[in-house]
Amino acid sequence: QKEVEQDPGPLSVPEGAIVSLNCTYSNSAFQYFMWYRQYSRKGPELLMYTYSSGNKEDGRFTAQVDKSSKYISLFIRDSQPSDSATYLCARIQGAQKLVFGQGTRLTINP
Amino acid sequence: KAGVTQTPRYLIKTRGQQVTLSCSPISGHRSVSWYQQTPGQGLQFLFEYFSETQRNKGNFPGRFSGRQFSNSRSEMNVSTLELGDSALYLCASSLGPGTSGRSALAGELFFGEGSRLTVL
Repeated sequence: QKEVEQDPGPLSVPEGAIVSLNCTYSNSAFQYFMWYRQYSRKGPELLMYTYSSGNKEDGRFTAQVDKSSKYISLFIRDSQPSDSATYLCARIQGAQKLVFGQGTRLTINP
Repeated sequence: KAGVTQTPRYLIKTRGQQVTLSCSPISGHRSVSWYQQTPGQGLQFLFEYFSETQRNKGNFPGRFSGRQFSNSRSEMNVSTLELGDSALYLCASSLGPGTSGRSALAGELFFGEGSRLTVL
């Protein structure tokens, strides 16, 4: 079993919809999680990070960790075509080492 | 502030050849890590350097190697190329340990745009 698993999609939704992106992780001891966004032909960029459990909100984005089910979620409200990208969840393994999920390719249709 | 710069951006090699990729981190960043990205395996950690020392290594064969120079610039080398080495190689820089702020603790990596390697 991979440490972090993510449905690669692709996921296509209309503009304005609420998007839910999900990952599962294998070890309940994992604490730090991050969401990166990668536009086509670009490197990933940090979107949000969360620690342990609970919610973290940043504008239209909300990151959620459910330790009991080992589930990581990213919600995008009022989605825009500019949100079209691949979204990668990751956990921190230490010394600037991240273990990434497969990435979910998201398309927001105008 | 300039971002992470990787060269070359694209390259084509044949099986058995070797390749060297270069990465210039953001000014002031002392940690450089390398990742391989493929459609099948996603993003996988190769290795990380800090102050010219490799601190962490992923599960890749010895054909993959790297180094870091005193100015924090880094290179990675792949010898005896195989078809499966075709991938996007991403370099990421960060402040590294011994610094304050969330980036040193939370693993905030700043990625370059990558070097796309095609092995024929």
